[in-house]
Amino acid sequence: EVQLLESGGGLVQPGGSLRLSCAASGFTFKNYVMSWVRQAPGKGLEWVSSIGGTGGAAYYADSVKGRFIISRDNSKNSLYLQMDTLRADDTALYYCAKDKYRSDAFDLWGQGAMVTVSS
Amino acid sequence: QSALTQPASVSGSPGQSVTISCTGTSSDVGNYNLVSWYQQHPGKAPKLMIFEGTQRPAGISNRFSGSKSGSTASLTISGLQAEDEADYYCCSYAVSGTYVFGTGTKVTVL
Repeated sequence: EVQLLESGGGLVQPGGSLRLSCAASGFTFKNYVMSWVRQAPGKGLEWVSSIGGTGGAAYYADSVKGRFIISRDNSKNSLYLQMDTLRADDTALYYCAKDKYRSDAFDLWGQGAMVTVSS
Repeated sequence: QSALTQPASVSGSPGQSVTISCTGTSSDVGNYNLVSWYQQHPGKAPKLMIFEGTQRPAGISNRFSGSKSGSTASLTISGLQAEDEADYYCCSYAVSGTYVFGTGTKVTVL
């Protein structure tokens, strides 16, 4: 079955760190750009970061640049998001998303991992 | 990276058509034919409805159609059905590998 499964969410204090993981199955993971998209409670979608199939190119939203690092391990069919210096406004449901091949659209989404930043 | 502008809400009766606009700039919508649209039901993950401005993924009803004029993209839902009631988001590729989503539109079926 083609699916994405996020894990690693939780409650963290402001200034803390958290690492999200996304396990992919049912498709050739290394062939696709992968992304993280987040949604604050009751709010809209916000693109966070994307990474190329080989892991050599990574892109970030200005709101997370310098604090978050996206990475992947193609041998484990896994995507990661290392989140440091977390702030209250990083509180959100974080979705892992697969890029539709060469179409710059997200055609497969996980169910999300909730990150709450609060003291 | 300012969010694309969408109307907060649109509504229509069953069988009618509704159109959702998505206004960006020359740095995103106006510069690329890479606008996508997503449907999101409450408590669910987003679902791709339109990609590359006008293309439908396999399995998406032809009641959903996309278009673009200048820096404004649009999603039209024809023959509105109760199951179409959801939030809809546009998204555009922008400069240097980044993406920007729209503010979101709630579609209500009267």
